[in-house]
Amino acid sequence: QKEVEQNSGPLSVPEGAIASLNCTYSDRGSQSFFWYRQYSGKSPELIMFIYSNGDKEDGRFTAQLNKASQYVSLLIRDSQPSDSATYLCAAPAGDYKLSFGAGTTVTVRA
Amino acid sequence: ETGVTQTPRHLVMGMTNKKSLKCEQHLGHNAMYWYKQSAKKPLELMFVYNFKEQTENNSVPSRFSPECPNSSHLFLHLHTLQPEDSALYLCASSLTGQGTKGGANVLTFGAGSRLTVL
Repeated sequence: QKEVEQNSGPLSVPEGAIASLNCTYSDRGSQSFFWYRQYSGKSPELIMFIYSNGDKEDGRFTAQLNKASQYVSLLIRDSQPSDSATYLCAAPAGDYKLSFGAGTTVTVRA
Repeated sequence: ETGVTQTPRHLVMGMTNKKSLKCEQHLGHNAMYWYKQSAKKPLELMFVYNFKEQTENNSVPSRFSPECPNSSHLFLHLHTLQPEDSALYLCASSLTGQGTKGGANVLTFGAGSRLTVL
């Protein structure tokens, strides 16, 4: 069983819409979760992390965590063409390690 | 320089060549990582070093040999690679010892080394 799974996408949304990305994880002991954004040809960069059940908002980004259901999601409000990228969900997989999902590619149509 | 720097950015090598990838971090982090990113696949963790001691070797073939002389530098020595080893190799660093809340496992990635094995 994969440790972290993401809805495969690709996801295409019109500019100004909400993009919704989902991720499930297998380790019930995981405490913190991370969303990384990777532009084509670039390296991943951290955009949010969350460790408490509920929502965490940062600008146009909202991360949602539901530990009982073992899923974490990322909402991008008012999507912009600059949000077009691959979004990677990650969870700890032991000491000093992160397990990444395969990523969801988002395209925002102008 | 700041952040995590990787060299070379692009590398083409034959299956009999020996080459090395270099990573340097200027963030004061104490853990460094090698990840492999192939098309349409999740990032694969290869090696982890914490305070220059290897703490993880994720069943990586011996044709990949890591070296971590200190907490700021990490190398990946390559020899007799296969075409399927062609991928983007990402170095990352992090602080450790902060627990699971707040900052642990927050990785900062380098720009990557794009490797092509002919």
